[in-house]
Amino acid sequence: DIQMTQSPSTLSASVGDRVTVTCRASQSISTWLAWYQQKPGKAPKLLIYRASTLESGVPSRFSGSGSGTEFTLTISSLQPDDFATYYCQQYNSYPYTFGQGTKLEIK
Amino acid sequence: EVHLVEAGGGLVQPGGSLTLSCGASGFIFSSFSMNWVRQAPGKGLEWVSYITSSSSTTSYADSVKGRFTISRDNGKNLLFLEMNNLRDEDTAVYYCARGSGWLDSWGQGTLVTVSS
Repeated sequence: DIQMTQSPSTLSASVGDRVTVTCRASQSISTWLAWYQQKPGKAPKLLIYRASTLESGVPSRFSGSGSGTEFTLTISSLQPDDFATYYCQQYNSYPYTFGQGTKLEIK
Repeated sequence: EVHLVEAGGGLVQPGGSLTLSCGASGFIFSSFSMNWVRQAPGKGLEWVSYITSSSSTTSYADSVKGRFTISRDNGKNLLFLEMNNLRDEDTAVYYCARGSGWLDSWGQGTLVTVSS
């Protein structure tokens, strides 16, 4: 199975900050990677697929990059609504696997 | 608007069985692959199972293989997850999610608790 490792596990930041979350795959997954946002008690929400394609309706302050084994999710200017947990997911091969999550907290 | 609604969760004893359902609306259900993803309390996301639009292909996580069965009824816009020989570690919120690859729409989830 492909292991997905996110860093950091927790990130403290302030409104207006630029933040980056990293996701590493245990083997190359080309650009078969998605990012999700999850708020407490809610279902995950798709943000980005194919490593860098923004899902319709997602604010442009979110962006993704990377290929192969290393990927990043960047939020250019944090908004109050962005404090949540973020997950990466590979879909290069079954079983699909998720990173362990990065909790973005208010500093 | 895409709408997915899970049902069938509840409390079940270890070794017991439960069948979850997911009702779909707002899109052509028969054209899309579907998945089940679960989340244990306070933990991360775990993909469980996948089924193609025509049910020709299914796939399972090793942790549930041989115990869970995914199926669908395209005529009724329903997705199912039959869960047998349940274990404590199957306790989780179970989400149905649309997609082949990235998962673009999710239900609100249904809680399955395995406990004696």
